[in-house]
Amino acid sequence: EDQVTQSPEALRLQEGESSSLNCSYTVSGLRGLFWYRQDPGKGPEFLFTLYSAGEEKEKERLKATLTKKESFLHITAPKPEDSATYLCAVHPGGSYIPTFGRGTSLIVHP
Amino acid sequence: NAGVTQTPKFQVLKTGQSMTLQCAQDMNHNSMYWYRQDPGMGLRLIYYSASEGTTDKGEVPNGYNVSRLNKREFSLRLESAAPSQTSVYFCASSAPEGLEYQETQYFGPGTRLLVL
Repeated sequence: EDQVTQSPEALRLQEGESSSLNCSYTVSGLRGLFWYRQDPGKGPEFLFTLYSAGEEKEKERLKATLTKKESFLHITAPKPEDSATYLCAVHPGGSYIPTFGRGTSLIVHP
Repeated sequence: NAGVTQTPKFQVLKTGQSMTLQCAQDMNHNSMYWYRQDPGMGLRLIYYSASEGTTDKGEVPNGYNVSRLNKREFSLRLESAAPSQTSVYFCASSAPEGLEYQETQYFGPGTRLLVL
């Protein structure tokens, strides 16, 4: 059974305090790992797709990395506007159905 | 492009009432999905449609039915609402025509449903 575990469940940071969010997964034949951002009261919004171990992608203060067992979302010098819930999802090979983690709620204090 | 739109945004039902949640996308996507999101449970797949004319059950299909009306529209119906169906419902779409392995999902704004 495909599983995705995100940690921590919640994270509070001071503005400028860098940190990382973790997404551990077990899946048969990873087709892709996805990171989404979800603001309160809104639908998830796509951030990154990673396909193979060693791959990295960056967008502003965010950098996503992938190994064979986990992915990290690194946040460098976060700002209050980075506050949101970050969701991780994996697509197994040959399936249309993604498995989502429960998310990490990030709050960045000014 | 409006992306993925959902109606209504908010609905209150009494136990036993029925309703249909509407979803439409204007991105020419093949696949469409219905999820529910509950506190502490994350996103759970209710039904999905890999392409026009097909639908399949997801993780939590009981109490729901779906219709893929055409390539753009995918509706979710609650025949007899129960308090356990109080949730936020999200529609999503993916897989533009002609691109392989393009499974990025684009989500609508959600429908907040309260069943009393």
